[in-house]
Amino acid sequence: QVQLQQSGTELVKPASSVKISCKASGYTFTSNYMHWIRQQPGNGLEWIGWIYPGNGNTKYNQKFDGKATLTADKSSSTAYMQLSSLTSEDSAVYFCARGWKGKGSYPAYWGQGTLVTVSS
Amino acid sequence: DVVLTQTPSILSATIGQSVSISCRSSQSLLDSDGNTYLYWFLQRPGQSPQRLIYLVSNLGSGVPNRFSGSGSGTDFTLKISGVEAEDLGVYYCMQATHAPTFGAGTKLELK
Repeated sequence: QVQLQQSGTELVKPASSVKISCKASGYTFTSNYMHWIRQQPGNGLEWIGWIYPGNGNTKYNQKFDGKATLTADKSSSTAYMQLSSLTSEDSAVYFCARGWKGKGSYPAYWGQGTLVTVSS
Repeated sequence: DVVLTQTPSILSATIGQSVSISCRSSQSLLDSDGNTYLYWFLQRPGQSPQRLIYLVSNLGSGVPNRFSGSGSGTDFTLKISGVEAEDLGVYYCMQATHAPTFGAGTKLELK
């Protein structure tokens, strides 16, 4: 079955960067989009963007342009999201989620989430 | 950005009661290809969101048939016909016809 295993909790300092991983199994990694979603404490969901591991194409929510960078390693079926210039606003749970390739793609199968806390 | 407005924000129900959640979009979600890319999710306390409904009215695999989705254009509804304890949590609608956005969520709690 589809499994998305995300990396563990991160405690990072302001102005630094962090890279979260999402290891996929149970499906063809290169034939689907991988979405990333943010959930700030007590808040709702925000779509960050997706990456198509088949060719590395990406699409971002304009709000996260320059903040998030999505990459993927086909050899290990792992997607990554790097967040840069971190502030307290970036403290949140980040989810990866598999979506179909193409128009109207949405996060159908979710990972367990990675908590990022930005604090000095 | 397309704004999805969910009502109510909090919904109190008893076990067995039927309830509905509304999701209204600031723009039509009907795509030029004829599809409407509107989805529903449930996030139980302490868990990741899970997909319930895709393309307005299609039940996700393993989702009980007490859940149903309907609507078109800008107005959409999720109905639960007979709430069970496992249905408690926060429900989100999401659209992907335009740049993807989520509604703010509707918390379903026990009365």
